[in-house]
Amino acid sequence: DAEITQSPRHKITETGRQVTLACHQTWNHNNMFWYRQDLGHGLRLIHYSYGVQDTNKGEVSDGYSVSRSNTEDLPLTLESAASSQTSVYFCASSGDTGSGSYEQYFGPGTRLTVT
Amino acid sequence: AQRVTQPEKLLSVFKGAPVELKCNYSYSGSPELFWYVQYSRQRLQLLLRHISRESIKGFTADLNKGETSFHLKKPFAQEEDSAMYYCALSGGGFQKLVFGTGTRLLVSP
Repeated sequence: DAEITQSPRHKITETGRQVTLACHQTWNHNNMFWYRQDLGHGLRLIHYSYGVQDTNKGEVSDGYSVSRSNTEDLPLTLESAASSQTSVYFCASSGDTGSGSYEQYFGPGTRLTVT
Repeated sequence: AQRVTQPEKLLSVFKGAPVELKCNYSYSGSPELFWYVQYSRQRLQLLLRHISRESIKGFTADLNKGETSFHLKKPFAQEEDSAMYYCALSGGGFQKLVFGTGTRLLVSP
């Protein structure tokens, strides 16, 4: 069955370290998204991609970067982790508009703690 | 700018009572509206979307463009409905979503 996975599921890191969160989907979706979930803020879009070599900034992109070298993966990198980036991170993917489906399929989340 | 507002952080009801989770949006064009749900220890999943006009698990939501609202309703709440509910908007033909802050629904026996 097609799925979307994230790793690691839990991560503790120190301020200033570089951290990469992995997202892998086997839906063959062109569209992939990274959100962070914080109490009182809901889910906020960090970065997104509509295809290989395409990346776009979302609402809260400062301090984060992504790269899309293939269809299946969209890793999220925190260049220099800060305590304000302690959060739960969700990856999602969706099919093209032509399919008529806007449904986003979410991964299980990664809980990141920056100390 | 696109914005989604969910005014209630917590909605607590008894089993069998009607439920209405409020969602208002701000968008100048024609939006696509969705409700996503996150049950305890599960991943976020789509509950329903306005274009399909369907009822899922007894929930319905009608897009009211005049009031810019997309409230989620269920006539008789069940304990298994307890979860976090997010209203989301997509506009301009783009698939990225703008989420509200979420409402936690707690259904007590």
